[in-house]
Amino acid sequence: EIVLTQSPATLSLSPGERVTLSCRASQSIHNYLAWYQQKRGQAPRLVISDATNRATGIPARFSGSGSGTDFTLTISSLEPEDFAVYYCLQRSDWPLTFGGGTKVEIK
Amino acid sequence: QITLKESGPTLVKTTQTLTLTCTFSGFPLSTDRVGVGWFRQPPGKALEWLALIYWGVDKHYSPSLETRLTILKDTSKNQVVLIMTKMDPGDTATYYCAHRRPPSAGDWFDAWGQGIPVTVSS
Repeated sequence: EIVLTQSPATLSLSPGERVTLSCRASQSIHNYLAWYQQKRGQAPRLVISDATNRATGIPARFSGSGSGTDFTLTISSLEPEDFAVYYCLQRSDWPLTFGGGTKVEIK
Repeated sequence: QITLKESGPTLVKTTQTLTLTCTFSGFPLSTDRVGVGWFRQPPGKALEWLALIYWGVDKHYSPSLETRLTILKDTSKNQVVLIMTKMDPGDTATYYCAHRRPPSAGDWFDAWGQGIPVTVSS
């Protein structure tokens, strides 16, 4: 099973700040990684697919990078609606696995 | 527009069998390589993938739960059913179903149901 490790577990930031979230895979997953945003009480929302592709309707302040085992989600300037938990998901191999999540909270 | 909605019991007892239904619209499950997956999320914890069914006969299960899970589809009703046996308090979670795009469109889960909270009581 491929293990995804997200860091940090929590980030306390202010609106306008730049944020970088990390997701590391236990083995190469090529670019078969997605990022999901989940707000309290809501279902996950696809943000980035195939490591770098913004999903439909996702603002340009969100960007993804990486391949192989190390991936990054960057939000260039935090907006109030971006405070949420972010999960990475890999589809390189069965079973599909998620990272443990990074909570981006208001400082 | 793709929509999905989970339905089923929100309270089950230990050892009982849970049956959840995902009713969807906006896409036919008969489209090649379109899929519907099930996930769960215990309170305050991370997401976990459970099972996936494609058009055709392909199904995949989480190895840790495979002996307890069955996923079925009824294309005439636009429904996917998840059956989980031998429920335990550790299975208390919100359960989600989601639409998986075909490989030609990126092969990711891009639309999710609102989720259904399930509590297992002893």
